[in-house]
Amino acid sequence: DAKTTQPPSMDCAEGRAANLPCNHSTISGNEYVYWYRQIHSQGPQYIIHGLKNNETNEMASLIITEDRKSSTLILPHATLRDTAVYYCIVRANYGGATNKLIFGTGTLLAVQP
Amino acid sequence: EPEVTQTPSHQVTQMGQEVILRCVPISNHLYFYWYRQILGQKVEFLVSFYNNEISEKSEIFDDQFSVERPDGSNFTLKIRSTKLEDSAMYFCASSEAVAGYNEQFFGPGTRLTVL
Repeated sequence: DAKTTQPPSMDCAEGRAANLPCNHSTISGNEYVYWYRQIHSQGPQYIIHGLKNNETNEMASLIITEDRKSSTLILPHATLRDTAVYYCIVRANYGGATNKLIFGTGTLLAVQP
Repeated sequence: EPEVTQTPSHQVTQMGQEVILRCVPISNHLYFYWYRQILGQKVEFLVSFYNNEISEKSEIFDDQFSVERPDGSNFTLKIRSTKLEDSAMYFCASSEAVAGYNEQFFGPGTRLTVL
């Protein structure tokens, strides 16, 4: 699976958009970008995933660059409960591919009141 | 909303003792996983399980570890003879399928403390 690079920490003001970047310059054509988060001492939580197109769900938006070498997770209106470590994970999505998730160190997002 | 549950939430044991960590995956899911997270470190994959057998395991998952689905609902992780370095949070996860939407749902974890 491709390696990802994320900033170790970011701050965001409550109510503002949080934009979390991820670099995955070695991503291959059959690999998706997944985002998970881990609120302190809890299990990781799936947020969103995408291949090429931008994606949006009730939690967040995912913007993937045209060359797919980087992406940004956007939390449109961050709340204090969004304070967590955010993980960007790249993995293939086809039968026979490994199904394990490889977590890096992620980005610690601190939402400030 | 369906969720993965784990018991106990905290397990304290003496070094050399056997422990069994229990998980109830989401009912229609077919793939099951164990991960662990040593305090202050990354979440690490241990093992995945499908169709009543291990489909993949990491180097951490040595002969001291085993997994089982003893009935239609539980998924267990057994550590035969615990070591101090086994102290960690252990997370169970499940997913509907490997391909397609591989959203893995994680449980709240079991904190294992080995004394």
